[in-house]
Amino acid sequence: EAGVAQSPRYKIIEKRQSVAFWCNPISGHATLYWYQQILGQGPKLLIQFQNNGVVDDSQLPKDRFSAERLKGVDSTLKIQPAKLEDSAVYLCASSFHLAGVLLSEQFFGPGTRLTVL
Amino acid sequence: DQQVKQNSPSLSVQEGRISILNCDYTNSMFDYFLWYKKYPAEGPTFLISISSIKDKNEDGRFTVFLNKSAKHLSLHIVPSQPGDSAVYFCAAWQGGSEKLVFGKGTKLTVNP
Repeated sequence: EAGVAQSPRYKIIEKRQSVAFWCNPISGHATLYWYQQILGQGPKLLIQFQNNGVVDDSQLPKDRFSAERLKGVDSTLKIQPAKLEDSAVYLCASSFHLAGVLLSEQFFGPGTRLTVL
Repeated sequence: DQQVKQNSPSLSVQEGRISILNCDYTNSMFDYFLWYKKYPAEGPTFLISISSIKDKNEDGRFTVFLNKSAKHLSLHIVPSQPGDSAVYFCAAWQGGSEKLVFGKGTKLTVNP
C-alpha cells in the first residue's frame, strides 16, 4: 500500500515570496490533515479536511496561509507571503474513518522542509 | 499553553536495557493518548496508544502506562535496541475536537 506522498521534499525561498506544497493521501482516506512542525517542537495541526470540507482550521494563519482539497483527494497548502517564522517542516497526514471507531490512525507523509531566508 | 509536555529533550540508554519516556498533560478531557516514533527525514509513525479508561497497554516490547490522577503517562521499551533510536512524540486526542495535540518530543539514543 502506497503511503502519503508529499512534494516538494525541500524548498528554500526568500521572505515575502509565495510557496505551495502538495499532498496525495492514502487511497480511500477521507480525512486529510496539514501540520506545521517547527524545529524542536511537536507537530501542530493547521487544518483538517473531511473529504473536501474543512473540519478544523482554527490554528491556520488565514491572513497568509490557505489550503484546499477540491476533489476530496489531493490537497495543496499555500503560504503567501512567507515570513521567516514560517520555516518549518510541513507534514501531511491522512486517516480512514470507520463507522463506530472513535479514533482512527493517522498516517504521515515524509514532510516538506521549508526554509525562509 | 502547552497541553502535552515532554520535559526530557533527550535520553540515552544501553542496548538491552529499559527505556522510559515520560509525558505529562494538563487537559483531563483527553480520551486517548498516543506515542509516535519519528526517524530523520520521515514522517511520524504510530507506535502505541492507550484509552483514558485504561492504565496499561502492551504491544510486544512496548508498554504504555497511564496515571490519570497524576496526568502522567510513560512509554517503556524493553529491551531497547539500536533501531529504536528516534524521536518519540507523545500525543493526546479528545473526541469532539478531533485533533491530536503533540508534545515536543524526546530523542532516544540506544547505544550498542
